[in-house]
Amino acid sequence: QKEVEQNSGPLSVPEGAIASLNCTYSDRVSQSFFWYRQYSGKSPELIMSIYSNGDKEDGRFTAQLNKASQYVSLLIRDSQPSDSATYLCAVFSRGYSTLTFGKGTMLLVSP
Amino acid sequence: DTAVSQTPKYLVTQMGNDKSIKCEQNLGHDTMYWYKQDSKKFLKIMFSYNNKELIINETVPNRFSPKSPDKAHLNLHINSLELGDSAVYFCASSQDSSGRSSVFFGEGSRLTVL
Repeated sequence: QKEVEQNSGPLSVPEGAIASLNCTYSDRVSQSFFWYRQYSGKSPELIMSIYSNGDKEDGRFTAQLNKASQYVSLLIRDSQPSDSATYLCAVFSRGYSTLTFGKGTMLLVSP
Repeated sequence: DTAVSQTPKYLVTQMGNDKSIKCEQNLGHDTMYWYKQDSKKFLKIMFSYNNKELIINETVPNRFSPKSPDKAHLNLHINSLELGDSAVYFCASSQDSSGRSSVFFGEGSRLTVL
């Protein structure tokens, strides 16, 4: 069974700090990795996708992928109160043809 | 223009009733999905269609029947509703089913079964 694990949190960080969100996955042939943000009562919104080992940066967000360790992370620099949300890690595995989501990590950024 | 739109946004109904949720995407995508998000916020795939063909059918009771009249539409019909069906149902779409294209979600339809 394909699993995606995340710490449910909440992860509390002060405004301006770096928030680090982590995700592990069980399927070694996973090929695509996504981070979504979901505000309470809203739909998931895509933040980043990453396909290759290493770092990918987009504004204040950096996704990191380590396929050998089956680990993907999301760093949010200069965290803002508006970043407070649940962050969902999603993994696509060849042969399964859809995303498997983790249960999400709640991030709280305090002013 | 909403990219993935679903209606209705809210349904409140009694056990045993039948209900439908409609979904349309105007992105020109080939692949559409139905996800269920339960009270614990766990988002789980139910069905996936690629060019109107069913490609994924997870372990979902056969009371749930998806229908895709064309690749821009994927509707969900639920028969004999049960209390455990209460959840938020999200429709989503992606360019294709390769895994390299991003999945975009509709706003969700909150179903409450009394």
